[in-house]
Amino acid sequence: EADIYQTPRYLVIGTGKKITLECSQTMGHDKMYWYQQDPGMELHLIHYSYGVNSTEKGDLSSESTVSRIRTEHFPLTLESARPSHTSQYLCASSEAGLSLGYTFGSGTRLTVV
Amino acid sequence: GQQVMQIPQYQHVQEGEDFTTYCNSSTTLSNIQWYKQRPGGHPVFLIQLVKSGEVKKQKRLTFQFGEAKKNSSLHITATQTTDVGTYFCAGYQYNNNDMRFGAGTRLTVKP
Repeated sequence: EADIYQTPRYLVIGTGKKITLECSQTMGHDKMYWYQQDPGMELHLIHYSYGVNSTEKGDLSSESTVSRIRTEHFPLTLESARPSHTSQYLCASSEAGLSLGYTFGSGTRLTVV
Repeated sequence: GQQVMQIPQYQHVQEGEDFTTYCNSSTTLSNIQWYKQRPGGHPVFLIQLVKSGEVKKQKRLTFQFGEAKKNSSLHITATQTTDVGTYFCAGYQYNNNDMRFGAGTRLTVKP
């Protein structure tokens, strides 16, 4: 079944730790995105990719990095977690060309203590 | 750059009342999309509007795209408790390959 998966679902981590949030999709979508969202609030674009070896920064600088070595995989890394990074992180994907709607993953709820 | 404004930010209704959320873009859009996010969940794609003046219906939900392709609305007739959640619009510009989400309208329904 085509879908988009995010792990972990929940994460509590100490300040200064390096973490990687995983995102994988089985739909063969070229475009992938990372959004940061406080519960029920506005979506802030952090990073996006239009294909393998393509990555761009979004509007929100969150001191994170991404990579796109394979079409299906788009991990997000925080080099040094801070309490201000506490939020929900949503991964999404869409087909190339005229956008036909994003498919979102279930998200990772990150708490930095 | 493109900006997408969405109002109202919050809406509280009694079950059975109607609900409308509005979306306005600072620039002409190639299409507009609507998403619903249930509390604790993730946004789920509802529909896409492409044509000027387009109107689409999904059961009690009616979506409209303005003639100038700069505004859109989502109207829910006779709300139910299952309609609770945050509704986001997202405006897409093909030339810039740019998608912008509105801030969302959080709907609560009192039984």
